Amino acid sequence: DTGVSQDPRHKITKRGQNVTFRCDPISEHNRLYWYRQTLGQGPEFLTYFQNEAQLEKSRLLSDRFSAERPKGSFSTLEIQRTEQGDSAMYLCASSSRDRNYEQYFGPGTRLTVT
Amino acid sequence: QKEVEQDPGPLSVPEGAIVSLNCTYSNSAFQYFMWYRQYSRKGPELLMYTYSSGNKEDGRFTAQVDKSSKYISLFIRDSQPSDSATYLCAYQGAQKLVFGQGTRLTINP
Repeated sequence: DTGVSQDPRHKITKRGQNVTFRCDPISEHNRLYWYRQTLGQGPEFLTYFQNEAQLEKSRLLSDRFSAERPKGSFSTLEIQRTEQGDSAMYLCASSSRDRNYEQYFGPGTRLTVT
Repeated sequence: QKEVEQDPGPLSVPEGAIVSLNCTYSNSAFQYFMWYRQYSRKGPELLMYTYSSGNKEDGRFTAQVDKSSKYISLFIRDSQPSDSATYLCAYQGAQKLVFGQGTRLTINP
């Protein structure tokens, strides 16, 4: 069993550039979540999908952020016109619909905006 | 008031000690409570979850929920240096998890 995987693991970008992250969930899980974690804080919810449908978005998800899960399998999170405040660890998690309290996280993508 | 309050520590104890990690929460409607362990620069790892009140034990780890006082705890017995990590409490709020700040724990050999 391969757990949740994320790519890339690290991304350094300049302010104003666009970045895209990918998440591959556990294969039998139909729910996929994105969280953001800054240093010294717990993860904060951004958005989640059930299959290909995006069902909830946090107020943290500004217009510069967009997430997709086109075929109900992997997901992408894109940040346009990055700002220094976007520097954080972006975490992906997955769960089954019936046990959505059991969320399994990937290793995260660490974004640094210079 | 934050929905979940967790003492950020840091907490440092000698190997073999019993560790107690605690969180308080504000909404009595929460039913599922989780503990995650996070090593430096890694993703959180689900340790245990508890439904409603009571205790749940898994090896050296015991999770406890007291709904009357809105208090959740994680006890680690016979602590090992490999237990050194940040421990995050969380509850399930609708479809998402809401996390505490995390407590940084160091077990000294």
